[in-house]
Amino acid sequence: AQSVAQPEDQVNVAEGNPLTVKCTYSVSGNPYLFWYVQYPNRGLQFLLKYITGDNLVKGSYGFEAEFNKSQTSFHLKKPSALVSDSALYFCAVRVDYKLSFGAGTTVTVRA
Amino acid sequence: DGGITQSPKYLFRKEGQNVTLSCEQNLNHDAMYWYRQDPGQGLRLIYYSQIVNDFQKGDIAEGYSVSREKKESFPLTVTSAQKNPTAFYLCASSIKGPNQPQHFGDGTRLSIL
Repeated sequence: AQSVAQPEDQVNVAEGNPLTVKCTYSVSGNPYLFWYVQYPNRGLQFLLKYITGDNLVKGSYGFEAEFNKSQTSFHLKKPSALVSDSALYFCAVRVDYKLSFGAGTTVTVRA
Repeated sequence: DGGITQSPKYLFRKEGQNVTLSCEQNLNHDAMYWYRQDPGQGLRLIYYSQIVNDFQKGDIAEGYSVSREKKESFPLTVTSAQKNPTAFYLCASSIKGPNQPQHFGDGTRLSIL
């Protein structure tokens, strides 16, 4: 079955430090991978996607993600975290016409 | 502004009652989706539709029904057969195609009285 896993329920970082949110995937064929962010009581906002090509994908709000085929990973990164980055982050993989989501990682950035 | 509108934001259901959640989009997207979100479980797909008058069951369709009579609208009915309906429900839409991101509404929180 095609799926993604987010191994960390929570990530805590200090403002100004690098932020990494981990995601691993299991798919047959070429993966279509996505990252979304969710703020409390809101819907999900699209951050970035990997389809093919460059392994480093740049997205919204200064986020980027690194696709690593050998490690089957697609980690989300931000060089310098902001307090306003505190939210719930989801990794997702396209399966046929649907998205399969990870369980989510709660990011807390302390001032 | 283009986007997805879900209403109401909060909804309460009595035992044995059916309730309908509204989802409207003005993005001219062909595909629409309904997800259920529970704490610690991510999002699970209830139903999806790729074209008007056609829809398919997702992973947890039991106790739910949908219709797609118009391109802009994809209402979800939570029936009395759904024994644990308390959750946050999210509607999404996208352009058809495997590399197209889904755009989400701000959700409806359903609770049981």
